[in-house]
Order: sequence, then C-alpha cells, then structure tokens
Amino acid sequence: EAGVVQSPRYKIIEKKQPVAFWCNPISGHNTLYWYRQNLGQGPELLIRYENEEAVDDSQLPKDRFSAERLKGVDSTLKIQPAELGDSAVYLCATVAGDPADTQYFGPGTRLTVL
Amino acid sequence: GIQVEQSPPDLILQEGANSTLRCNFSDSVNNLQWFHQNPWGQLINLFYIPSGTKQNGRLSATTVATERYSLLYISSSQTTDSGVYFCAVPSSGGSNYKLTFGKGTLLTVNP
Repeated sequence: EAGVVQSPRYKIIEKKQPVAFWCNPISGHNTLYWYRQNLGQGPELLIRYENEEAVDDSQLPKDRFSAERLKGVDSTLKIQPAELGDSAVYLCATVAGDPADTQYFGPGTRLTVL
Repeated sequence: GIQVEQSPPDLILQEGANSTLRCNFSDSVNNLQWFHQNPWGQLINLFYIPSGTKQNGRLSATTVATERYSLLYISSSQTTDSGVYFCAVPSSGGSNYKLTFGKGTLLTVNP
C-alpha cells in the first residue's frame, strides 16, 4: 500500500512569492490534516478535512494561507504571499476512519523563504 | 491548552543500550500517540496508546492516564533508532483528533 505522497519535497522561494504544496492521501483515508513544523518543534495543526469539508481551520492564518481538497482526495495548501517566518516543513497526515485514530504522515515539504 | 513535556530533550546512547523516554501531560486525555521522526524527516506512528501497555518488537510503551504520563522503552538500541521521538495528545476541549505535540526527545545511537 502506498503511503501519503507529498510534493515538492523542497522549495526555495523569495519572500512575497506564492507557493503551493500538494498531498495525496492513502487510498480510502477520509481525514486529512495539514501541519507546520518549525525547526526544533513538534508539528502544529493548520487545518483538518473530513472528505472535502474543512471541519477545523481555526489555526490557519487565513490572510495568506488557503487550502482545498476537491473531491475529498488530493489536497493543496497555498501561501500567498510568503513571508520569512513561513520557512518550515509542511506535513500532510491522513487517517482511515475515526479522526482520533492513528495518523499516517507524508515525508513533508521543506520550505525556505529568502 | 494542554501542556506536553518530554524528557530528556537529548539522549546519546551506544548501540545495544536500553532507554526510557518520558511524556508528561497537564490534563486528562483519552488519546496518546508516540511518533518517531527519522533523520530524513519522516514521521512514523509507533503507538496509539491512551492507556495500558503495548509492545512492538524492541519498543514498548506504557501510559498511566490517571497520573498523566507515558513512557516509551527502547531496548537493545540500534543506529536506525536515531531521530526525534514525539508524543502527542489531544488539545484541550475534548477533541480527540486535534493533537498537541511535545517538543520531542532527540535520540542519537552511536555504533
């Protein structure tokens, strides 16, 4: 069974530029999370999807961040415009059934904003 | 919100040694997960252990929910065990899905 796929793995951009990250969940996993992980810290939740519905986006900085999960499968996370403080690893995780169950993480996208 | 403290922050072992990692949390929880993040950044779920004890090969975990702590045991450590170990519990408010991660324990196993 293929795991959670994320792309790109690395991205370097200049501040004020837009950037997008893509996540393909494990087949059949209805719950999808986006996390941000700063250096030396644990992941922090940005948004949670149940199928195509964003059921918790309370920690998403909506002035510059947006996300979508069309058709309840793949998801994209976008930042526009990027700021220096957005440099981090962006992780996608998915869950098969109960949202409280085991989370399976993708390899992440390491974003560097110059 | 709930506070999660992990100790020690760093640990260096020789291959073959045993270790115990601790996770303390500030509120009652009904969900606790241990993760290993390898040196390449991949997070792997080790245990889903809201209470009791589980074992998987050389790793085992025990959660004492009433006393608000969990322990992760690594026996006969190998260099591939190196990385950061995180515990995560639900954020306050009772939502099981919204996990708060500790800052992790950085484990280095030397050959």
